[in-house]
Amino acid sequence: QQQVKQSPQSLIVQKGGISIINCAYENTAFDYFPWYQQFPGKGPALLIAIRPDVSEKKEGRFTISFNKSAKQFSLHIMDSQPGDSATYFCAASFSGTYKYIFGTGTRLKVLA
Amino acid sequence: DTAVSQTPKYLVTQMGNDKSIKCEQNLGHDTMYWYKQDSKKFLKIMFSYNNKELIINETVPNRFSPKSPDKAHLNLHINSLELGDSAVYFCASSQEGNTGLAEAFFGQGTRLTVV
Repeated sequence: QQQVKQSPQSLIVQKGGISIINCAYENTAFDYFPWYQQFPGKGPALLIAIRPDVSEKKEGRFTISFNKSAKQFSLHIMDSQPGDSATYFCAASFSGTYKYIFGTGTRLKVLA
Repeated sequence: DTAVSQTPKYLVTQMGNDKSIKCEQNLGHDTMYWYKQDSKKFLKIMFSYNNKELIINETVPNRFSPKSPDKAHLNLHINSLELGDSAVYFCASSQEGNTGLAEAFFGQGTRLTVV
Protein backbone atom coordinates (compact mmCIF):
# COMPACT_ATOMS: atom_id res chain seq x y z
CA GLN A 1 0.00 0.00 0.00
CA GLN A 2 1.58 3.27 -1.09
CA GLN A 3 -0.60 5.79 0.68
CA VAL A 4 0.39 8.36 3.23
CA LYS A 5 -2.43 9.48 5.49
CA GLN A 6 -2.21 12.98 6.94
CA SER A 7 -4.19 14.72 9.65
CA PRO A 8 -5.64 17.12 10.50
CA GLN A 9 -6.90 18.64 7.27
CA SER A 10 -6.77 22.11 8.79
CA LEU A 11 -5.33 23.58 11.96
CA ILE A 12 -5.67 26.92 13.70
CA VAL A 13 -3.10 27.81 16.33
CA GLN A 14 -2.45 30.91 18.38
CA LYS A 15 0.84 32.72 17.91
CA GLY A 16 3.44 31.14 20.16
CA GLY A 17 1.60 27.83 20.32
CA ILE A 18 2.67 24.39 19.09
CA SER A 19 1.38 23.09 15.77
CA ILE A 20 1.33 19.31 15.36
CA ILE A 21 0.62 17.49 12.11
CA ASN A 22 0.55 13.71 11.90
CA CYS A 23 1.17 11.23 9.12
CA ALA A 24 0.90 7.46 8.87
CA TYR A 25 2.10 5.04 6.23
CA GLU A 26 1.78 1.35 5.41
CA ASN A 27 4.72 0.47 3.21
CA THR A 28 7.71 -0.43 5.38
CA ALA A 29 10.01 -0.03 2.37
CA PHE A 30 9.74 3.76 2.64
CA ASP A 31 13.11 5.17 3.69
CA TYR A 32 12.77 8.91 3.25
CA PHE A 33 10.17 11.10 4.92
CA PRO A 34 10.21 14.78 4.01
CA TRP A 35 7.88 17.58 5.03
CA TYR A 36 7.08 20.26 2.50
CA GLN A 37 5.72 23.75 3.09
CA GLN A 38 3.65 25.47 0.42
CA PHE A 39 2.59 29.11 0.38
CA PRO A 40 -0.26 30.26 -1.90
CA GLY A 41 0.87 30.61 -5.49
CA LYS A 42 4.18 28.88 -4.85
CA GLY A 43 5.58 25.41 -5.28
CA PRO A 44 6.17 23.15 -2.27
CA ALA A 45 9.55 23.66 -0.62
CA LEU A 46 11.38 21.21 1.62
CA LEU A 47 11.13 22.10 5.28
CA ILE A 48 12.77 19.17 7.01
CA ALA A 49 13.26 15.45 6.30
CA ILE A 50 14.10 12.30 8.19
CA ARG A 51 15.22 8.76 7.48
CA PRO A 52 13.98 5.81 9.56
CA ASP A 53 17.28 5.22 11.34
CA VAL A 54 16.60 8.16 13.69
CA SER A 55 13.58 8.86 15.88
CA GLU A 56 13.75 12.63 15.91
CA LYS A 57 15.24 15.47 13.92
CA LYS A 58 15.16 19.11 14.88
CA GLU A 59 15.89 22.16 12.78
CA GLY A 60 15.18 25.43 14.51
CA ARG A 61 11.51 25.52 15.51
CA PHE A 62 10.66 22.48 13.39
CA THR A 63 10.94 18.91 14.67
CA ILE A 64 10.07 15.59 13.05
CA SER A 65 9.23 12.74 15.40
CA PHE A 66 9.41 9.30 13.81
CA ASN A 67 7.91 6.10 15.20
CA LYS A 68 9.03 3.21 13.04
CA SER A 69 7.07 0.50 14.86
CA ALA A 70 3.83 2.47 14.63
CA LYS A 71 4.62 3.59 11.07
CA GLN A 72 3.87 7.17 11.98
CA PHE A 73 5.71 10.45 11.83
CA SER A 74 4.77 13.94 12.84
CA LEU A 75 5.82 17.54 12.42
CA HIS A 76 5.96 19.83 15.43
CA ILE A 77 6.23 23.57 14.94
CA MET A 78 7.24 25.24 18.19
CA ASP A 79 6.48 28.90 18.90
CA SER A 80 4.25 29.05 15.81
CA GLN A 81 4.28 32.37 13.99
CA PRO A 82 1.81 33.99 11.56
CA GLY A 83 4.49 33.59 8.87
CA ASP A 84 4.17 29.82 9.33
CA SER A 85 0.64 29.97 7.91
CA ALA A 86 0.82 27.70 4.88
CA THR A 87 -0.14 24.24 3.68
CA TYR A 88 2.10 21.44 4.96
CA PHE A 89 2.57 18.13 3.21
CA CYS A 90 4.21 15.02 4.52
CA ALA A 91 5.64 12.65 1.96
CA ALA A 92 7.39 9.32 1.68
CA SER A 93 9.55 7.56 -0.84
CA PHE A 94 12.10 4.80 -1.16
CA SER A 95 15.16 4.26 -3.28
CA GLY A 96 14.53 3.26 -6.85
CA THR A 97 10.90 4.34 -6.98
CA TYR A 98 11.58 7.74 -8.49
CA LYS A 99 8.54 9.28 -6.87
CA TYR A 100 7.38 10.95 -3.69
CA ILE A 101 3.98 10.04 -2.31
CA PHE A 102 2.38 12.99 -0.63
CA GLY A 103 -0.13 13.19 2.17
CA THR A 104 -3.32 15.14 1.60
CA GLY A 105 -2.00 18.35 3.16
CA THR A 106 -2.75 20.38 6.28
CA ARG A 107 -3.73 23.99 6.02
CA LEU A 108 -2.20 25.77 9.02
CA LYS A 109 -3.31 29.18 10.14
CA VAL A 110 -1.45 30.91 12.95
CA LEU A 111 -3.41 33.73 14.52
CA ALA A 112 -1.53 36.87 15.49
CA ASP B 1 18.84 32.18 -10.31
CA THR B 2 15.78 29.92 -10.32
CA ALA B 3 16.50 26.23 -9.72
CA VAL B 4 13.39 24.82 -11.41
CA SER B 5 11.54 27.12 -13.76
CA GLN B 6 8.26 26.48 -15.54
CA THR B 7 6.53 28.44 -18.23
CA PRO B 8 3.91 29.69 -18.48
CA LYS B 9 2.75 30.46 -14.94
CA TYR B 10 -0.86 30.81 -16.05
CA LEU B 11 -2.60 29.16 -18.97
CA VAL B 12 -6.25 29.68 -19.88
CA THR B 13 -7.51 27.76 -22.85
CA GLN B 14 -10.65 26.32 -24.38
CA MET B 15 -11.72 22.70 -24.31
CA GLY B 16 -10.30 20.68 -27.14
CA ASN B 17 -7.15 22.76 -27.55
CA ASP B 18 -3.60 21.43 -27.32
CA LYS B 19 -1.12 23.13 -24.99
CA SER B 20 2.42 22.68 -23.69
CA ILE B 21 4.14 23.51 -20.43
CA LYS B 22 7.91 23.80 -20.33
CA CYS B 23 10.24 23.01 -17.45
CA GLU B 24 13.95 23.50 -16.99
CA GLN B 25 16.21 22.78 -14.02
CA ASN B 26 19.73 24.09 -13.52
CA LEU B 27 20.60 21.86 -10.55
CA GLY B 28 22.26 19.10 -12.53
CA HIS B 29 19.72 16.57 -11.26
CA ASP B 30 19.12 13.29 -13.05
CA THR B 31 15.45 12.91 -12.17
CA MET B 32 12.55 15.16 -13.12
CA TYR B 33 8.85 14.91 -12.37
CA TRP B 34 5.45 16.25 -13.22
CA TYR B 35 2.96 16.50 -10.38
CA LYS B 36 -0.67 17.58 -10.59
CA GLN B 37 -2.27 19.53 -7.74
CA ASP B 38 -6.05 19.62 -7.85
CA SER B 39 -8.44 22.10 -6.28
CA LYS B 40 -8.27 20.22 -2.96
CA LYS B 41 -4.48 20.63 -2.97
CA PHE B 42 -3.80 16.90 -3.50
CA LEU B 43 -0.35 16.43 -5.04
CA LYS B 44 -0.27 13.43 -7.34
CA ILE B 45 2.64 12.11 -9.36
CA MET B 46 2.04 12.00 -13.09
CA PHE B 47 5.42 11.18 -14.60
CA SER B 48 9.00 10.78 -13.58
CA TYR B 49 12.04 10.71 -15.82
CA ASN B 50 15.54 9.60 -14.98
CA ASN B 51 18.35 10.53 -17.35
CA LYS B 52 15.78 11.37 -20.05
CA GLU B 53 14.07 7.99 -19.74
CA LEU B 54 10.46 7.61 -18.65
CA ILE B 55 10.37 5.71 -15.36
CA ILE B 56 6.86 6.32 -14.09
CA ASN B 57 3.60 6.94 -15.91
CA GLU B 58 1.05 6.97 -13.14
CA THR B 59 -2.14 6.05 -15.02
CA VAL B 60 -2.22 9.35 -16.81
CA PRO B 61 -4.44 9.57 -19.94
CA ASN B 62 -2.42 9.34 -23.11
CA ARG B 63 -3.56 12.85 -24.00
CA PHE B 64 -0.65 13.84 -21.72
CA SER B 65 2.72 13.33 -23.32
CA PRO B 66 5.93 14.29 -21.53
CA LYS B 67 9.12 14.85 -23.46
CA SER B 68 12.64 15.13 -22.10
CA PRO B 69 15.02 16.42 -24.78
CA ASP B 70 17.88 16.39 -22.24
CA LYS B 71 18.39 15.90 -18.50
CA ALA B 72 17.70 19.54 -17.75
CA HIS B 73 14.34 19.77 -19.50
CA LEU B 74 11.02 18.03 -19.11
CA ASN B 75 8.09 19.39 -21.07
CA LEU B 76 4.45 18.40 -20.86
CA HIS B 77 2.17 18.43 -23.86
CA ILE B 78 -1.56 18.01 -23.42
CA ASN B 79 -3.87 17.21 -26.32
CA SER B 80 -7.61 17.74 -26.52
CA LEU B 81 -7.88 19.55 -23.21
CA GLU B 82 -10.84 18.75 -20.99
CA LEU B 83 -12.45 20.69 -18.15
CA GLY B 84 -11.13 18.14 -15.68
CA ASP B 85 -7.56 18.95 -16.66
CA SER B 86 -7.86 22.28 -14.85
CA ALA B 87 -5.30 22.17 -12.04
CA VAL B 88 -1.88 23.41 -11.06
CA TYR B 89 0.92 21.42 -12.65
CA PHE B 90 4.28 21.30 -10.89
CA CYS B 91 7.58 20.30 -12.34
CA ALA B 92 10.21 19.07 -9.89
CA SER B 93 13.68 17.58 -9.90
CA SER B 94 15.82 15.60 -7.50
CA GLN B 95 18.97 13.57 -7.31
CA GLU B 96 19.21 10.07 -5.91
CA GLY B 97 22.36 9.67 -3.87
CA ASN B 98 24.04 6.78 -2.11
CA THR B 99 21.45 6.89 0.65
CA GLY B 100 18.43 7.11 -1.62
CA LEU B 101 16.23 9.96 -2.77
CA ALA B 102 16.95 13.41 -1.50
CA GLU B 103 15.20 16.77 -1.62
CA ALA B 104 12.87 17.45 -4.51
CA PHE B 105 12.91 21.01 -5.80
CA PHE B 106 9.64 22.25 -7.22
CA GLY B 107 8.93 24.89 -9.79
CA GLN B 108 6.43 27.67 -9.12
CA GLY B 109 3.64 25.78 -10.88
CA THR B 110 1.50 26.35 -13.95
CA ARG B 111 -2.14 27.08 -13.25
CA LEU B 112 -4.08 25.59 -16.14
CA THR B 113 -7.70 26.64 -16.56
CA VAL B 114 -9.78 24.95 -19.24
CA VAL B 115 -12.98 26.80 -20.15
